[in-house]
Amino acid sequence: NAGVMQNPRHLVRRRGQEARLRCSPMKGHSHVYWYRQLPEEGLKFMVYLQKENIIDESGMPKERFSAEFPKEGPSILRIQQVVRGDSAAYFCASSPLSWEETQYFGPGTRLLVL
Amino acid sequence: GQQLNQSPQSMFIQEGEDVSMNCTSSSIFNTWLWYKQDPGEGPVLLIALYKAGELTSNGRLTAQFGITRKDSFLNISASIPSDVGIYFCAGRKSGNTPLVFGKGTRLSVIA
Repeated sequence: NAGVMQNPRHLVRRRGQEARLRCSPMKGHSHVYWYRQLPEEGLKFMVYLQKENIIDESGMPKERFSAEFPKEGPSILRIQQVVRGDSAAYFCASSPLSWEETQYFGPGTRLLVL
Repeated sequence: GQQLNQSPQSMFIQEGEDVSMNCTSSSIFNTWLWYKQDPGEGPVLLIALYKAGELTSNGRLTAQFGITRKDSFLNISASIPSDVGIYFCAGRKSGNTPLVFGKGTRLSVIA
C-alpha cells in the first residue's frame, strides 16, 4: 500500500521561474493538504482540497500561489515567479475522509530558489 | 498566526534515559497530535489525543492531553539511537480547522 508520494523531491529554480509540485495521495484518500516548512520551523498549513474543490485556502499567500486537485491525476501546488523567500520544504498530506481524520504525510519537496 | 510553544527546543540525552517534552498554547485545542520527523522525510504520526486528560501510549511513547486543553506532553522511555529526530506537536481547535504545528523539539541520543 503505497504512501503519499511527492515529486520532485528536490527542485531548484531561478527567481522569476515557475515551480510545480506534485502530490499523489494514498490510495483511497480523496482529501489533500499542503503545508510549508521553513528551516528550523514547524509546518504551516497552506490549503486543503478535495477532488476538484478547494475547501480551505486560508494559509495560501494571496499572490503567485495556486493549488488544484483534478478529478484524475495528482494534486498540484504551483508557485509562479518564485522569489528567494519561497525556498522551503513543501509537504503534502492526505486523509481518507474529512480533515478531522488522521493525515498521512509525504516525504516533501525541497524547493531552492537561486 | 497561532502557534504552539514547544519546549525544549533541543535536547541531548544518553541512550537509555527517559525524555520529556511539552507543548503549550494560549488557546484551547480539541485535538493534540505528536509527530516525528526524520531528516529529509515527512512527519510521521506517533500519537493522537482527542479528550482532555487522556493518556495514551504507543510502545515506549506516552502522551497526555492536558486537562485545561491548552497543553500536552510526550514522554519517551529508555531512549535508543533511532529516537533521534524532530518531534512536533500539532493541535486542532475544532473539527473544520487546520492543524497548527509547534516548532519542534530536536532530540539527539548519545550512545
